[in-house]
Amino acid sequence: EADIYQTPRYLVIGTGKKITLECSQTMGHDKMYWYQQDPGMELHLIHYSYGVNSTEKGDLSSESTVSRIRTEHFPLTLESARPSHTSQYLCASAVGDTQYFGPGTRLTVL
Amino acid sequence: QKEVEQDPGPLSVPEGAIVSLNCTYSNSAFQYFMWYRQYSRKGPELLMYTYSSGNKEDGRFTAQVDKSSKYISLFIRDSQPSDSATYLCAAKTSYDKVIFGPGTSLSVIP
Repeated sequence: EADIYQTPRYLVIGTGKKITLECSQTMGHDKMYWYQQDPGMELHLIHYSYGVNSTEKGDLSSESTVSRIRTEHFPLTLESARPSHTSQYLCASAVGDTQYFGPGTRLTVL
Repeated sequence: QKEVEQDPGPLSVPEGAIVSLNCTYSNSAFQYFMWYRQYSRKGPELLMYTYSSGNKEDGRFTAQVDKSSKYISLFIRDSQPSDSATYLCAAKTSYDKVIFGPGTSLSVIP
């Protein structure tokens, strides 16, 4: 079983708050990803990183930012949360083409 | 047109049935094909990984790729209630990122 962790698992916050979703992996993988998943919809890639100090935006326009200061840590930050940010956020790390997903953070913005 | 499409279901079958899950894709450059299983409130986990056309079998699971018709299938033999989950198909080229389908929800009724 993959060792990839996400916190918090559930978050309910008010509009305008700054939040950081945490993602950590202990496998030493260089590749890490953030996806957004809504019910019945495909996973949308919002950010990815191929190593320390390397980050790229994905295919889905997002108002979030990420950082990769350490191999094992890939946090995602929303500076000012809005109701449109309500979704499930999945973090993954990868070796080759095999992605290992965390359990996800369910975010609700009121 | 979405690059990877799936019937979202839900699909409900009796225990012991043979299940057929299907995807179509539009990008003829896709060469790598994957099936992920996602249980409720969990992240997806890789189930099958295949390269190009052909069949791959792993226990009760068989993945089939037909590149001529751009069609991907996953067969589950002797289905069990523990197989109840959402199944995501995914594909990628040799140089680009993984593209996920929206998933098919499967329920296996005891």
